[in-house]
Amino acid sequence: DVVMAQSPLSLPVALGQPASISCRSSQSLVHSDGNTYLNWFQQRPGQSPRRLISKASNRDSGVPERFSGSGSGTDFTLKISRVEAEDVGVYYCMQGTHWPWTFGQGTKVEIK
Amino acid sequence: EVQLVESGGGLVQPGGSLRLSCAASGFTFSNYWLSWVRQGPGKGLEWVANINQDGSEKYYVDSVKGRFTISRDNAKNSVYLQMNNLRAEDTALYYCARGSGFCWGQGTLVSVSS
Repeated sequence: DVVMAQSPLSLPVALGQPASISCRSSQSLVHSDGNTYLNWFQQRPGQSPRRLISKASNRDSGVPERFSGSGSGTDFTLKISRVEAEDVGVYYCMQGTHWPWTFGQGTKVEIK
Repeated sequence: EVQLVESGGGLVQPGGSLRLSCAASGFTFSNYWLSWVRQGPGKGLEWVANINQDGSEKYYVDSVKGRFTISRDNAKNSVYLQMNNLRAEDTALYYCARGSGFCWGQGTLVSVSS
């Protein structure tokens, strides 16, 4: 199975400051169809997950522009340009290229 | 509005069975893969099973193979997860999701305990 390793696992950030989460996969996430199926999810306390980014860098509709995804192959990053209070929660990367799909351990973002 | 609503969770003894259901609305159900994802108490997300548009392809995480079966009824806009021989480690909030997570339900809680 593809192992997804996120870092850091805990990320205290001051309001208005940037944040960055890394996700590394144990195998390349480039699919035979040429796409890279790497998603980012946000899970606010007490809520269901919400997809923010698909295919490594495509922001879902309604997702604020301060969220951006980048990376390729085995190395990916989620960035929040200026953290707001509503961004508190746990962020997960997930690969959908290889069966079984697998998630990272999660990164807890909190306000410093 | 795209919506997924899970049901069927509950308390069951080890070795028992449950059937989860997920009713979809707001999109053309038969056009999409559907997934079940679970989250143990205080833990992260674990993808459990997937099913393709016509039900001809199914994939499972190793820990549930042979015990869980995913199915769908496109006429009823519903996806199901039949869970047999349940174990304590299957205790979790079970979510259904469209495709690779475009949208999620609110989850249904499964507790396996004697």
